[in-house]
Amino acid sequence: DQQVKQNSPSLSVQEGRISILNCDYTNSMFDYFLWYKKYPAEGPTFLISISSIKDKNEDGRFTVFLNKSAKHLSLHIVPSQPGDSAVYFCAASPNSGGSNYKLTFGKGTLLTVNP
Amino acid sequence: DAGVTQSPTHLIKTRGQHVTLRCSPISGHKSVSWYQQVLGQGPQFIFQYYEKEERGRGNFPDRFSARQFPNYSSELNVNALLLGDSALYLCASSPYTRDGTQYFGPGTRLLVL
Repeated sequence: DQQVKQNSPSLSVQEGRISILNCDYTNSMFDYFLWYKKYPAEGPTFLISISSIKDKNEDGRFTVFLNKSAKHLSLHIVPSQPGDSAVYFCAASPNSGGSNYKLTFGKGTLLTVNP
Repeated sequence: DAGVTQSPTHLIKTRGQHVTLRCSPISGHKSVSWYQQVLGQGPQFIFQYYEKEERGRGNFPDRFSARQFPNYSSELNVNALLLGDSALYLCASSPYTRDGTQYFGPGTRLLVL
């Protein structure tokens, strides 16, 4: 049973436009959510995170929105750049005090930004 | 500052063999976690260690084991390799705060023939 779902395997957008990547989760114990970007032959790179007590977090061109009632989060990239082309993973972690050790990942969405 | 480092970068083994993968965390990070990523899937949690103690284990068989050393580096061992163990093995370190952010190394790509 997949607890974190990224239902779009791929997304293609034009340079300068907005990219919206979606993620759904089923486990109500998840308390902290993260987005990672992964290039081929590299490990995942942390992008942005959000705690369940917030509904929005922004860092430069990246904004993450969380809708707890719908168990849904999304990553917005504005404006999209060709260098953003990568696989994006949504990940979730339970609230275990300091033991936020286990990240549960979705399968990823391949974003392609066309010049 | 150096990020998480892993060795080797690539490895080819045959079924039944044993493998040891190594990880050095970011300086100051005391927690190390291991993940397995197979093609087309997201990383899957294997182990987490903090202060040399196992703090979490994922749904992997006992053929998988790990340990953490006093300098916080870590080893992942896999015995009796199966073809299905072929994957990218990722190590992540964390400062072990309430913030669950983990920082990943480049991974070790293991191919079992």
